[in-house]
Amino acid sequence: GENVEQHPSTLSVQEGDSAVIKCTYSDSASNYFPWYKQELGKRPQLIIDIRSNVGEKKDQRIAVTLNKTAKHFSLHITETQPEDSAVYFCAAPGGTSYGKLTFGQGTILTVHP
Amino acid sequence: NAGVTQTPKFQVLKTGQSMTLQCAQDMNHNSMYWYRQDPGMGLRLIYYSASEGTTDKGEVPNGYNVSRLNKREFSLRLESAAPSQTSVYFCASSEFGGYTFGSGTRLTVV
Repeated sequence: GENVEQHPSTLSVQEGDSAVIKCTYSDSASNYFPWYKQELGKRPQLIIDIRSNVGEKKDQRIAVTLNKTAKHFSLHITETQPEDSAVYFCAAPGGTSYGKLTFGQGTILTVHP
Repeated sequence: NAGVTQTPKFQVLKTGQSMTLQCAQDMNHNSMYWYRQDPGMGLRLIYYSASEGTTDKGEVPNGYNVSRLNKREFSLRLESAAPSQTSVYFCASSEFGGYTFGSGTRLTVV
């Protein structure tokens, strides 16, 4: 099955700085890469995703980049704000199915005012 | 539009007791999933159902059973609860893409 490794496990930045979280995956057939944000005590929520036919996708202050050759994808958050503080998870499906996601271990992002 | 609804939100069980976690979605999604979340271990797949009438094991199925009752509902059953099953359980549904998660069930087995 798919194996997803996520780094770093914790990340601390000052408000206004950028944050980058990286994930690597093992199954070269994976074709869909979502990122989820989970605030304390809440459910994970999809914040951005990318499909394998593009290399980058942006949505306001967040962006995801994909390198299929190296089998890694990254989440970029610019101009961080305290409300960005949360746990972030990457995921990949393995094979050619969009379902049955394997998640990374999560990154705790803390943005200091 | 409620999305994905899970019940109960909290539960305390004694070792050996049984219970069923309920999940329902109103988005007409074909696929539904049960994950457990433990500190430092992310979300691990217990069981999933790609479509009504089918279920398959995920990464950590031991000690659990599931039922896809219809397209809307997917339940998770613990037949004989063990302390190792203390966790937060999330149900999710999807259709060709990202998941929509339920609000979770925090289960403690003592």
